Amino acid sequence: EAGVAQSPRYKIIEKRQSVAFWCNPISGHATLYWYQQILGQGPKLLIQFQNNGVVDDSQLPKDRFSAERLKGVDSTLKIQPAKLEDSAVYLCASSSVAHIYNEQFFGPGTRLTVL
Amino acid sequence: AQSVTQLGSHVSVSEGALVLLRCNYSSSVPPYLFWYVQYPNQGLQLLLKYTTGATLVKGINGFEAEFKKSETSFHLTKPSAHMSDAAEYFCAVSDGPSGSRLTFGEGTQLTVNP
Repeated sequence: EAGVAQSPRYKIIEKRQSVAFWCNPISGHATLYWYQQILGQGPKLLIQFQNNGVVDDSQLPKDRFSAERLKGVDSTLKIQPAKLEDSAVYLCASSSVAHIYNEQFFGPGTRLTVL
Repeated sequence: AQSVTQLGSHVSVSEGALVLLRCNYSSSVPPYLFWYVQYPNQGLQLLLKYTTGATLVKGINGFEAEFKKSETSFHLTKPSAHMSDAAEYFCAVSDGPSGSRLTFGEGTQLTVNP
């Protein structure tokens, strides 16, 4: 079974530029999560999708961050414009259903550096 | 709101020694608790979880954790450290059975010395 795929693995941009990250969850997983992991901290949930609908985006900075999950499969997370404090690893995870009994499987992450 | 505190951002042990990583939680509802491991340049992998039932939980790679409600703790242990255990470990708490938002601690970097 293929795991969660993310691309790119690394991205360096200058502040005020735009950037997008892509995630392909495990086949058949209805629930998809985006986390932000700042260096020295634990991951923080940005947004959770159930199929192609948003379940929780309470911690997403909506003035600059956006995410979509068209057709309930792949997802993209966009930052526009980027700030220095957005430098972090962005992790995508998926689970078969949104329940604590169902493990979240994490991708390798995209490391973003904003200069 | 749930929160997690991991005591010690860095822990160093010798190979073969006991591993003890500390986690204390705060939750207004019965907690669901998790330990994840993260190897360099990789995503997080679930080690073990406590939902209900037995308070001593066994996970992968010889790790186990005990839920102690009176101490609001969920410490992770392994009797004998192996070099391959060197990684960062995260404790997390869930906001309930029907939701799945995980609140993570800040992590503990485990170093295993030969």
